Parts: sequence; C-alpha cells; structure tokens
Amino acid sequence: KQEVTQIPAALSVPEGENLVLNCSFTDSAIYNLQWFRQDPGKGLTSLLLIQSSQREQTSGRLNASLDKSSGRSTLYIAASQPGDSATYLCAASGNTGKLIFGQGTTLQVKP
Amino acid sequence: NAGVTQTPKFQVLKTGQSMTLQCAQDMNHEYMSWYRQDPGMGLRLIHYSVGAGITDQGEVPNGYNVSRSTTEDFPLRLLSAAPSQTSVYFCASSGPGTGGLRYTFGSGTRLTVV
Repeated sequence: KQEVTQIPAALSVPEGENLVLNCSFTDSAIYNLQWFRQDPGKGLTSLLLIQSSQREQTSGRLNASLDKSSGRSTLYIAASQPGDSATYLCAASGNTGKLIFGQGTTLQVKP
Repeated sequence: NAGVTQTPKFQVLKTGQSMTLQCAQDMNHEYMSWYRQDPGMGLRLIHYSVGAGITDQGEVPNGYNVSRSTTEDFPLRLLSAAPSQTSVYFCASSGPGTGGLRYTFGSGTRLTVV
C-alpha cells in the first residue's frame, strides 16, 4: 500500500529565502508525482507533475525533483514571497489515476 | 469557465439525514474522484470512476455511494450522515495532459454533521 509523507508539517521563513519541501513515498512503482498548492478555504491547484521517467520539472521559481529509487521528491521554491504562503501537497499516482496524498506542508513567508 | 463545479459549498446535516453532494465537469474527462480532507490527514480517496457506468471504491468508502450515469456528473451520496463524516469534500476530474493525468479540483463542500 502506497504511503506518502511530507516533512515538515509547517515552515516559516523570511521573504527572499530559498526553501525546500520534502515528500517521501513507500512504493517506487509510481506513474507520476504531483505537487499541488492549497490556499485557505480553497481547492487544490496543480503546480508541477513529474513523470516516473523524469528527474525534475520547473515552472518559474518552482522546481520539483523525483528520485524513485530513494522514494523521494522535493519542491524547491526560489526567492520566496509572501504570496507563496499556502499549504503544499504532494501526491503519488499509479497507472489507475488514483492520487495518494501526503499530509501537506503549511508554508508562511513573512514580509 | 471550464472546470469542476461542486454544490453546495456549505451544508449542515443532522445525524441520520441523507444528502447528495453534486459534482459536474465540462472538460470531457473520463476520470472523476471524490476526496475528503480532514485536519492532519491530507486528502483521502472515497470513490472514483474511470468512465460513465464504472465506479470503484477508494480508501474510505464506507457510508458513501456514487454513480456515474454521464461523463459530466459524479454525485456523492451520504446514506445516513454521522458526525465522523464532518469534513471538507473535494471532487476532482482528470484527463490526459503532458506527462500524465492532469487533475482539476472543485472548490470543495464543507459539511458539518451535528
């Protein structure tokens, strides 16, 4: 059974800092790994999707990496801004399309 | 605007009542799914569907029913509401995109069972 874990549960950083969010999964037979953003009281917004054959994906200041052999993914946020404050969720997917989510990391970026 | 529409946004039920959470998508996606989100537990899959007429159970299906009569709609039914079903419910649809299935989530239904 796939299990996904995110560390830390919460993170507070000053504006401008580069930061890394961690995600680990127990079953390396994943189809892809996705990162989502959730603002308070809102739904989820897809940020990045990494296929199992890829090592990383980039979108603007965001870079997500995937290491299947070690069961880890990281989300790197460069030059953080107060607008980046949100909860970040990673989810592993098998070929059926079902997503297994981690518990999320709540990020606060202080001006 | 294209996307996933969930109704209602908020609902309060008494224990034992039944209700249906509505979910509709206009992207012609085959995959649709229901998740519940509870504090400290992330999102957990309740039921999912890979196409009209096909549904299957997820991680926490007890107390919920689904049907998929059309590609667009995927309602979630609570048969006899219990306080343990107090949660935020999200519907999602997914379709092929670059790199795999791309997910679009609705804005959620916040349900309180008293």
